Amino acid sequence: GQQVMQIPQYQHVQEGEDFTTYCNSSTTLSNIQWYKQRPGGHPVFLIQLVKSGEVKKQKRLTFQFGEAKKNSSLHITATQTTDVGTYFCAGQTGANNLFFGTGTRLTVIP
Amino acid sequence: SQTIHQWPATLVQPVGSPLSLECTVEGTSNPNLYWYRQAAGRGLQLLFYSVGIGQISSEVPQNLSASRPQDRQFILSSKKLLLSDSGFYLCASSGEYNSPLHFGNGTRLTVT
Repeated sequence: GQQVMQIPQYQHVQEGEDFTTYCNSSTTLSNIQWYKQRPGGHPVFLIQLVKSGEVKKQKRLTFQFGEAKKNSSLHITATQTTDVGTYFCAGQTGANNLFFGTGTRLTVIP
Repeated sequence: SQTIHQWPATLVQPVGSPLSLECTVEGTSNPNLYWYRQAAGRGLQLLFYSVGIGQISSEVPQNLSASRPQDRQFILSSKKLLLSDSGFYLCASSGEYNSPLHFGNGTRLTVT
């Protein structure tokens, strides 16, 4: 069955350092979505990538979709304490449901 | 925009007791509806999804069931809870294919 693996599972960074989480799928994806879940909260949609090699930016966040549409990454430049939370990727193949990655929990040390 | 209402926010239930969690959606019609479970510090496990009234698909066989009596109402139930049913239950809604999920605030269930 389809699997979406995410690494690392945990990441502790000093405030101001950069952070990257990687997402890998066993199958080619039609699109990939990224969500952020604050501690104690619910996942909130961040962005969707559809095209091969697509790169999108949201302020300090940069999202990439691999050329083969099997992997993706989220990079945060100069982390802030407000970036704390768990970041999930979620991949979709065809008309099937989203498969969520295992998530990367980010801790930012002030 | 869509708003997902989920209640209660927290729930403590003894083993063997029944369960009913309700989710309602505002701001959209004929949404796809989902129930996810998240164990502490873990990822999201899809339990059920529905593309319309009375249409329920189960992703994981277990002692839970779901129903969709109205277009924007989704209910998660159990006749007898197990300890392993503890977790964070999230209702989600989406529009057509490829659209993102909107999550409710979730229900933290502890089975004792």
